[in-house]
Amino acid sequence: AQKVTQAQTEISVVEKEDVTLDCVYETRDTTYYLFWYKQPPSGELVFLIRRNSFDEQNEISGRYSWNFQKSTSSFNFTITASQVVDSAVYFCALSGAQKLVFGQGTRLTINP
Amino acid sequence: GAVVSQHPSWVICKSGTSVKIECRSLDFQATTMFWYRQFPKQSLMLMATSNEGSKATYEQGVEKDKFLINHASLTLSTLTVTSAHPEDSSFYICSAREGGWSYGYTFGSGTRLTVV
Repeated sequence: AQKVTQAQTEISVVEKEDVTLDCVYETRDTTYYLFWYKQPPSGELVFLIRRNSFDEQNEISGRYSWNFQKSTSSFNFTITASQVVDSAVYFCALSGAQKLVFGQGTRLTINP
Repeated sequence: GAVVSQHPSWVICKSGTSVKIECRSLDFQATTMFWYRQFPKQSLMLMATSNEGSKATYEQGVEKDKFLINHASLTLSTLTVTSAHPEDSSFYICSAREGGWSYGYTFGSGTRLTVV
């Protein structure tokens, strides 16, 4: 069975602070994909990144960076110099051969 | 990029009536479509997976007769909530995949259903 755990239910920081969202996953598959999505109050899901299980290179995209560690089954997401517009719910997700499973989500609030 | 159109974006219906939600892939053929349900402040829970021309595969605990899914073409899947009740009020969101599981998932913008 696949499972994604986002232990941080809510995070609140002041603008310009760095913030890391944790994601731990469980799967018996040797090949899988990991995702991060952003869900603003409007509800639509905004795709942020997809990473396959064979690619453990960290990735940086502007203020966003991702740290994939297979040894600890973690795929953490860091926002550097956070901005109010980053306020949203962030979901980590895992895809095996059959379906995409989401974590519980982390509600991130960036205060001015 | 791939686009999925979901319609309507919101709907209010009376208890006991049925509501149909459409999910269309606009610029690709979706061999597989997924329907999710999201209650307020909760995660997205997969309801069912449908392949074009086949019966949908429902997740455990999802009532097949209540949530009818049709995937009659490679660009359209519909979810019909039959005999809706207030507890069916939720945010429903579809996702489409162009090919095998190595392809990414494209999500619709969601439908907020309120049953009164």
